[in-house]
Amino acid sequence: AQSVSQHNHHVILSEAASLELGCNYSYGGTVNLFWYVQYPGQHLQLLLKYFSGDPLVKGIKGFEAEFIKSKFSFNLRKPSVQWSDTAEYFCAVISSASKIIFGSGTRLSIRP
Amino acid sequence: GAVVSQHPSWVICKSGTSVKIECRSLDFQATTMFWYRQFPKQSLMLMATSNEGSKATYEQGVEKDKFLINHASLTLSTLTVTSAHPEDSSFYICSASGLAGGYNTGELFFGEGSRLTVL
Repeated sequence: AQSVSQHNHHVILSEAASLELGCNYSYGGTVNLFWYVQYPGQHLQLLLKYFSGDPLVKGIKGFEAEFIKSKFSFNLRKPSVQWSDTAEYFCAVISSASKIIFGSGTRLSIRP
Repeated sequence: GAVVSQHPSWVICKSGTSVKIECRSLDFQATTMFWYRQFPKQSLMLMATSNEGSKATYEQGVEKDKFLINHASLTLSTLTVTSAHPEDSSFYICSASGLAGGYNTGELFFGEGSRLTVL
């Protein structure tokens, strides 16, 4: 069965620290990969997506993610976080028939 | 960008009553809509997938007779929680997969969510 794993459940960082959130998926075929963010009290928003091409994807607000096919990973990174990045981050995979599978989410807390 | 609107945002009902939640795509044709349930501090759990004009496909463990889904048009899908009980209290979220230039982009657009509390 397809699955998405986010091993970091809660990450706490200070402002200006670098961020990397892990995401691994299990599916051998072609996948579309996404990172969504849910700010407190708001709905899910797309941060970035990978369909094909350059495996290093740039998203909004300075986020990027790298698709490493051999590792089945799509980790999210940001070189310097801000307090406003406090949110819940979800990795997601669409494998077929537009069916999307979400990871369990990573809560990011930024200390001012 | 594309917008999905969900209504109502909050609903409180008595046990045994039915509640309908609407999900509308405001500026695009939503060929496929998804309904999720989100428990506190957990991820979204896909409940069902609906394609316009056809029956919804439910995930394993989701009662299709309890969670009725209708996707009668390219801009509207509804989720009806029938005979609601306190354990149905949750945050329900819809998302829509749209067409752009005739192709499904694979990107999902989410509604704001509906918090259901069953007394």
